[in-house]
This record gives sequence, C-alpha cells and structure tokens, in this order.
Amino acid sequence: GQQVMQIPQYQHVQEGEDFTTYCNSSTTLSNIQWYKQRPGGHPVFLIQLVKSGEVKKQKRLTFQFGEAKKNSSLHITATQTTDVGTYFCGVNTDKLIFGTGTRLQVFP
Amino acid sequence: ETGVTQTPRHLVMGMTNKKSLKCEQHLGHNAMYWYKQSAKKPLELMFVYNFKEQTENNSVPSRFSPECPNSSHLFLHLHTLQPEDSALYLCASSQVGYRGFSYEQYFGPGTRLTVT
Repeated sequence: GQQVMQIPQYQHVQEGEDFTTYCNSSTTLSNIQWYKQRPGGHPVFLIQLVKSGEVKKQKRLTFQFGEAKKNSSLHITATQTTDVGTYFCGVNTDKLIFGTGTRLQVFP
Repeated sequence: ETGVTQTPRHLVMGMTNKKSLKCEQHLGHNAMYWYKQSAKKPLELMFVYNFKEQTENNSVPSRFSPECPNSSHLFLHLHTLQPEDSALYLCASSQVGYRGFSYEQYFGPGTRLTVT
C-alpha cells in the first residue's frame, strides 16, 4: 500500500536558522498537501501542489513538488519562534494519507 | 476558526462507560473524517464518510462505532474502551471529488480522551 515517509522526525534549530522537511512517497502522486499543527492545536492546511516541479512560496515558506511527483519539500527561511509545530504532508490516493510529520522546535 | 466544531473538548471515561463524540461542519463539504492522534501514530485515519456513506474503516476495533446522520454531522460512539485508546480524536471535513480525491481538509479542535 501507499507509504508516505517524512524526514526528519524532529528538528531543533536556533531562531534565524533555516529548516527543511521532506516528504517521500513510494508511488507517483497526483498532488500533495502540507499542513501545520501548532502545539496543543489542530492541523491547518497550508498549501497544495499539483504540477511536476512546482514551487510555491508563502512569505518565508517555500514548497516544492519533485519532478517525478514522488517527493516534496517544505523549506522555512530564517525560522522564528512562531514556526514551532509539527508539519505534515498529505497525499491523495483514493483518500488523503498523511505522513508521519516533522516536529520543529525553535530556540530563541 | 468555527468551520468544524467538536464536543466535548475533554473527556475522561472508565473502561465500562459509553460515551459519544460529536462533530459538526459548517462548510458545506461532502466528506467527513475521524482521526486518532497519539505519540505513536501522529495522524491515524479511522473512518471516512462520503455523502453520508462510510467509505473507509481503517481496521478500527468495534468498540469505536461511527454514525453520520447527514453530511454536516458525525458522531463517534465509544464503549468498553481500553487505556491505550487515550488520545486526541480529530474530526475533519473536506470536499471530495472524482475517485475520492480530497481537497484541503479542515480540522476541528479535537477531543482529548482519557480512558481510566
């Protein structure tokens, strides 16, 4: 069945450092979604990528869909303490399957 | 955000109790979901309802019983739970298209369940 791996599982960074999380699938994807869950909160939709090689930006966040549509990345430039949380990717098959998540901790 | 609401927000129950979790979505979506979130499995899909019909039961034990009376309401009935069922239970809704393609999902705040 569909497997979705996210790496790393945890990442601790100093405020101002960059951060990247990767989402890898065993099969070609039609699209990928990214979500953020703050501590004590619930997942909130960030963005959806559909096209091969697509790159989208939201302020300091850059989302990329791989050329082969089997992987994706989320990059945060110059992290801030407000970026703390767990980032999930979600992939569509006959349902939305979420990755294992990457927990980001930012030290001031 | 008030698009998806869940009650109660916290629940403590004994192993012999029967309780129900309620979810309501105000977004006009055609699909609703139950997820279990714990340290072991961050976002574990339990059930999917598409146009009120259950389309997914992800090998969930029968002590969890979902009910979807209409496309806006979703319940999770709980009975004879085990301590390992303690977790955050999240409800979500989305618009689902062709072949089950899910557009972005909107989550409720969750119910923190503790089984004693």
